[in-house]
Amino acid sequence: EDKVVQSPLSLVVHEGDTVTLNCSYEVTNFRSLLWYKQEKKAPTFLFMLTSSGIEKKSGRLSSILDKKELFSILNITATQTGDSAVYLCAVGRRGMETSGSRLTFGEGTQLTVNP
Amino acid sequence: DAGVTQSPTHLIKTRGQHVTLRCSPISGHKSVSWYQQVLGQGPQFIFQYYEKEERGRGNFPDRFSARQFPNYSSELNVNALLLGDSALYLCASSDRTGYGYTFGSGTRLTVV
Repeated sequence: EDKVVQSPLSLVVHEGDTVTLNCSYEVTNFRSLLWYKQEKKAPTFLFMLTSSGIEKKSGRLSSILDKKELFSILNITATQTGDSAVYLCAVGRRGMETSGSRLTFGEGTQLTVNP
Repeated sequence: DAGVTQSPTHLIKTRGQHVTLRCSPISGHKSVSWYQQVLGQGPQFIFQYYEKEERGRGNFPDRFSARQFPNYSSELNVNALLLGDSALYLCASSDRTGYGYTFGSGTRLTVV
């Protein structure tokens, strides 16, 4: 059975700090790893990673995947109070679109950024 | 373009009742998936539909059912509601490649 483990489960930092969120996984026929930010309801897409060692960046956020060690990290630099949210990591299998494969999510990391 | 839309946004039901939740995918997306998110946990997969056929089912009891219509919208039905069914129900749609996986805002179901 597919498994995704995120750590830490919660994190409290001050504005301006840099944080690293971790995601390890076990999945059959790995296709992609996705990061989402969830503030109230809908998880909003941050990154999709399919290849090892290639960093993806979007502003102060960046993420990288290690397919050999089966983990990914999400970095947030110069944190702001608006970064406070639950960050979800999910993995998808090959053949997602038709074979009935699905995203398997971790529990999420609750990040709180204090002013 | 409209994103994934779900209705209703909130719902309160009594134990034993039935509920129907609705989802309209992004235009052009033919795959719809349903997830249940209990407070404090990550979303759990319930169903995936592609081209109106069930393509995957998670570990949920038969009280949960779904269908997809010719316009690719979808309904999730839950019978004989239990208190433990209280959760945020999320719908996601994707294109034929499986990429562009986008979530709706969800339906918050409370069973009392």
